[in-house]
Amino acid sequence: NAGVTQTPKFQVLKTGQSMTLQCAQDMNHEYMSWYRQDPGMGLRLIHYSVGAGITDQGEVPNGYNVSRSTTEDFPLRLLSAAPSQTSVYFCASSYSQAGEAFFGQGTRLTVV
Amino acid sequence: GENVEQHPSTLSVQEGDSAVIKCTYSDSASNYFPWYKQELGKGPQLIIDIRSNVGEKKDQRIAVTLNKTAKHFSLHITETQPEDSAVYFCAASKGTYKYIFGTGTRLKVLA
Repeated sequence: NAGVTQTPKFQVLKTGQSMTLQCAQDMNHEYMSWYRQDPGMGLRLIHYSVGAGITDQGEVPNGYNVSRSTTEDFPLRLLSAAPSQTSVYFCASSYSQAGEAFFGQGTRLTVV
Repeated sequence: GENVEQHPSTLSVQEGDSAVIKCTYSDSASNYFPWYKQELGKGPQLIIDIRSNVGEKKDQRIAVTLNKTAKHFSLHITETQPEDSAVYFCAASKGTYKYIFGTGTRLKVLA
């Protein structure tokens, strides 16, 4: 049972490039989300999904897109990377609302 | 908007002493309060949680207390050990999947 798997672990992008951060979970959780973690700011919600085909914006959605075509996968797309998107990104899944969230190991992204 | 304040941002204690981390939330509709521990290079992991119908919850050396009137909740770690050194995050939720996280506390347990 792998839990929540994120790839890649590290990535360096040039300003303006696009890329997709991958997230997969094997726990059959309906709820999945993406957070970014910045020093002194905790974890901020970017986008979330309550099931396949359903997504919604979180606190800081600008510059990011998501889709949820299957229960297992929830990729995060950066459309045109900016230095302000340099951060550590975490994907999480949960079996219910207001229940334990299981986090992946994170992706450290640097935009130069 | 919704906000969770967490204090202190850093905390150093001697091994064997107790550590207390405090959080205050703004939305009185919040009813679920988890605490996460994040070790270096890893994702956050749930260590304990409490719901609004309970005032205190304990799990071995870890306890959480909730004061709904004052809108604050605290994490208590007793008999601290070096492996307790990590960053701890509190969070609040209104019973939905959307959590508001605190800014984190870096705990150092000195041997």
